[in-house]
Amino acid sequence: NAGVTQTPKFQVLKTGQSMTLQCAQDMNHEYMSWYRQDPGMGLRLIHYSVGAGITDQGEVPNGYNVSRSTTEDFPLRLLSAAPSQTSVYFCASSYTGDLYEQYFGPGTRLTVT
Amino acid sequence: AQSVTQPDIHITVSEGASLELRCNYSYGATPYLFWYVQSPGQGLQLLLKYFSGDTLVQGIKGFEAEFKRSQSSFNLRKPSVHWSDAAEYFCAVAGGGADGLTFGKGTHLIIQP
Repeated sequence: NAGVTQTPKFQVLKTGQSMTLQCAQDMNHEYMSWYRQDPGMGLRLIHYSVGAGITDQGEVPNGYNVSRSTTEDFPLRLLSAAPSQTSVYFCASSYTGDLYEQYFGPGTRLTVT
Repeated sequence: AQSVTQPDIHITVSEGASLELRCNYSYGATPYLFWYVQSPGQGLQLLLKYFSGDTLVQGIKGFEAEFKRSQSSFNLRKPSVHWSDAAEYFCAVAGGGADGLTFGKGTHLIIQP
């Protein structure tokens, strides 16, 4: 049981490049979410999903896309990276019956130059 | 909108001493409240949560927190800290919907030998 896994651990992009941050969980959790963590800002919700085929925006969705084609996977796409997207990204998952006992992945540190 | 304030950015405590980390929230109804811990380079781990009932909640690693509605507070305590408690601590609030947690900016705990 690997829990929540994220790849890659580190990534450097140039402005304008695109990439996908991968997130997978093996706990059969219905709910998955993406947060970004910036120094002195805590964590802020980007997008979330309550089940396969259903996604919604969080507090800071601009510049990011998500999709949820399976229960296990919830990738986060940056279509045209900007320096303001330099951050640490965390994926989390939970059962919808215990929505807030979220299990967090180890994070992806992204730098956009 | 809900919000969380953690007034202390850094706290330094001697090993073996007691600890209290402050958290104040803003929310119109009864909130769901949480404390998470983040060790360096790691994701977040849930320490404890309050939904309803007894206002003193026990968590993992010897932590407890007390919900005080009159003060809009949910302070985290530990009677005797260990060097391994050095980490970043986040208080979070949720309103009951699927739109995730609202985090405070975090308190960085330093343990002196």
